[in-house]
Amino acid sequence: GQNIDQPTEMTATEGAIVQINCTYQTSGFNGLFWYQQHAGEAPTFLSYNVLDGLEEKGRFSSFLSRSKGYSYLLLKELQMKDSASYLCAVMDSNYQLIWGAGTKLIIKP
Amino acid sequence: DGGITQSPKYLFRKEGQNVTLSCEQNLNHDAMYWYRQDPGQGLRLIYYSQIVNDFQKGDIAEGYSVSREKKESFPLTVTSAQKNPTAFYLCASSTALGTGANVLTFGAGSRLTVL
Repeated sequence: GQNIDQPTEMTATEGAIVQINCTYQTSGFNGLFWYQQHAGEAPTFLSYNVLDGLEEKGRFSSFLSRSKGYSYLLLKELQMKDSASYLCAVMDSNYQLIWGAGTKLIIKP
Repeated sequence: DGGITQSPKYLFRKEGQNVTLSCEQNLNHDAMYWYRQDPGQGLRLIYYSQIVNDFQKGDIAEGYSVSREKKESFPLTVTSAQKNPTAFYLCASSTALGTGANVLTFGAGSRLTVL
């Protein structure tokens, strides 16, 4: 079966750095997405990785290793507004998205 | 501003009633989707549509129905056949399926509670 694993919840301090991991087992691979979702709101797109390596976008970076079935989202200089759930999703060989359950990130002052 | 509008934001339903959730987009996107979000689970695909007058079942289509009469609109009906309909429903759209970088734009969601 297809599976996406993420930690359920993480806590970090304002101003610090946090890494949210995502491991996957899917039927084929056509890219990995990260979305941010504040409670009760719409998920919003953060990043897309299809090749191995690190993609940097401001305070957020996303890394992919296809051979290990592994990705992480790195958030630097954490701000209180970064408190949200972070959803990892993989596009399989049929171009269907398989979603992880999300990681709830709690930022403390 | 372009985006996706879902309504209502909150909806209460008695058992045995059908309800329809509205989803409208002005992004000129071809593809539209309905997802269900439950606590502790990933998003699950209910139905999707690539073009007008055509739609396909997702992973959990039983108890739901959709229509795509206009490019902008993709309403979802939760029927009385859906055994556990209480959930957060998300509508999304994208430029097209079948491509890797298929970024979804989501609506703000509709929370349905069955009393």
